[in-house]
Amino acid sequence: EDKVVQSPLSLVVHEGDTVTLNCSYEVTNFRSLLWYKQEKKAPTFLFMLTSSGIEKKSGRLSSILDKKELFSILNITATQTGDSAVYLCAANTGTASKLTFGTGTRLQVTL
Amino acid sequence: GAVVSQHPSWVICKSGTSVKIECRSLDFQATTMFWYRQFPKQSLMLMATSNEGSKATYEQGVEKDKFLINHASLTLSTLTVTSAHPEDSSFYICSAYWRGGADTQYFGPGTRLTVL
Repeated sequence: EDKVVQSPLSLVVHEGDTVTLNCSYEVTNFRSLLWYKQEKKAPTFLFMLTSSGIEKKSGRLSSILDKKELFSILNITATQTGDSAVYLCAANTGTASKLTFGTGTRLQVTL
Repeated sequence: GAVVSQHPSWVICKSGTSVKIECRSLDFQATTMFWYRQFPKQSLMLMATSNEGSKATYEQGVEKDKFLINHASLTLSTLTVTSAHPEDSSFYICSAYWRGGADTQYFGPGTRLTVL
C-alpha cells in the first residue's frame, strides 16, 4: 500500500524563523513528489520535484527531493503570518498522475 | 490556464436527501478527474478516479452506490452523494488531470457539505 508520511504534524514558530517540513514516502511507480499549501479551501500548488538533489525555489520557499532515501523537505525562511497553513506533500504514482497525500503539517506563525 | 471549478461551494441538506456536486475544467480537457474527501484537520483522501466515458474506479472502503460518479464529458464530472447522512458531512474536492499541462492535477475550490 502506498504511504506518505509528514513530520512534524504541527508546528508553531515566531515570525522570522526558518522552518523545515519533512515528507517521506513509500510508493510503487513513483513519478514525482508535490508540495501544496492549504489554507481554508483546496490546496494550492507549490512545487513538483522529479529529480534528486535539484533544489526548487520560489521566493522564501524551497524544496528538494532525495530519491535514494525516499524523502523531501520544504524550507520556509523568514516566515510570515501569511505562511500559516497546512502544508501537504503528495506522491504522484501510476497513470494520469494519481496522488497519494501525506498527513499534512499544520504550521502556525505567530507575531 | 488550468482552472477547475466546483459547484456548489457549500451545501446544507437534510438527512436522506441526495446532493450533486459538479466539477468542471474550464480551459482544458480532462480525461481523468479525481474526487477527494477531507475531514476536519485531516488530509485529502482519494475517493475515486473518474475517466471520461467509463465507470469510475473507487478506492477501498468507498461505497460506489452511495457516491455516484459520472464523467459524461471531457470537462465535467459529477459526484452525487445519495441518501446523505450526517457522517457524510465533509469537504469534497475534485481535481482534473491535464495531460498537456505539468503532468499533475489541478484542484477545484472544494464543496463543503453539511448534512443535518
